[in-house]
Amino acid sequence: QQQVKQSPQSLIVQKGGISIINCAYENTAFDYFPWYQQFPGKGPALLIAIRPDVSEKKEGRFTISFNKSAKQFSLHIMDSQPGDSATYFCAATDYKLSFGAGTTVTVRA
Amino acid sequence: DVKVTQSSRYLVKRTGEKVFLECVQDMDHENMFWYRQDPGLGLRLIYFSYDVKMKEKGDIPEGYSVSREKKERFSLILESASTNQTSMYLCASSPPGINQPQHFGDGTRLSIL
Repeated sequence: QQQVKQSPQSLIVQKGGISIINCAYENTAFDYFPWYQQFPGKGPALLIAIRPDVSEKKEGRFTISFNKSAKQFSLHIMDSQPGDSATYFCAATDYKLSFGAGTTVTVRA
Repeated sequence: DVKVTQSSRYLVKRTGEKVFLECVQDMDHENMFWYRQDPGLGLRLIYFSYDVKMKEKGDIPEGYSVSREKKERFSLILESASTNQTSMYLCASSPPGINQPQHFGDGTRLSIL
């Protein structure tokens, strides 16, 4: 069974809008939470990552919010652009990576 | 730039065949990984290796084996291919340590007929 639950499966957002992807986990041994971005025909690439002692991390238009007590974390894409259209995977690691099922984001111009 | 190269983008094999998927990385990374990617399931870890000659089972090792004879090369072997092994296979590498970013190849889409 999936150790990291990700939602939604897909979302469509207008250019300039905010995309929000949510993830939840149960394993309290997880201590590192990366997000990967995958374009069609390519392998995933690390986008941004957070450790559980931090509640928020921002890199450009991408922000991770982390709620340790709720065992939830989310990715916000601000001012979404057509070039952000991709599949996004949340993940968590203790000694190996466990991935969520992925969210396909489509940004309409 | 780290480059992880998978030998084939597309591969078609028949049930019962022994299938080899090859992966080479050029960054002298100690860690290498094999995943399969299926719609709705994300990426699932098959095997990984922390060093030459070493291997560890991931979450779904059944029906697979691996070989790491050289640091830069990690091979995935389907001992007797079955139709439920039709999938996208992704190889990754990372520097030593647990929480290091993994660098992925572009995948091999394998179809078992």
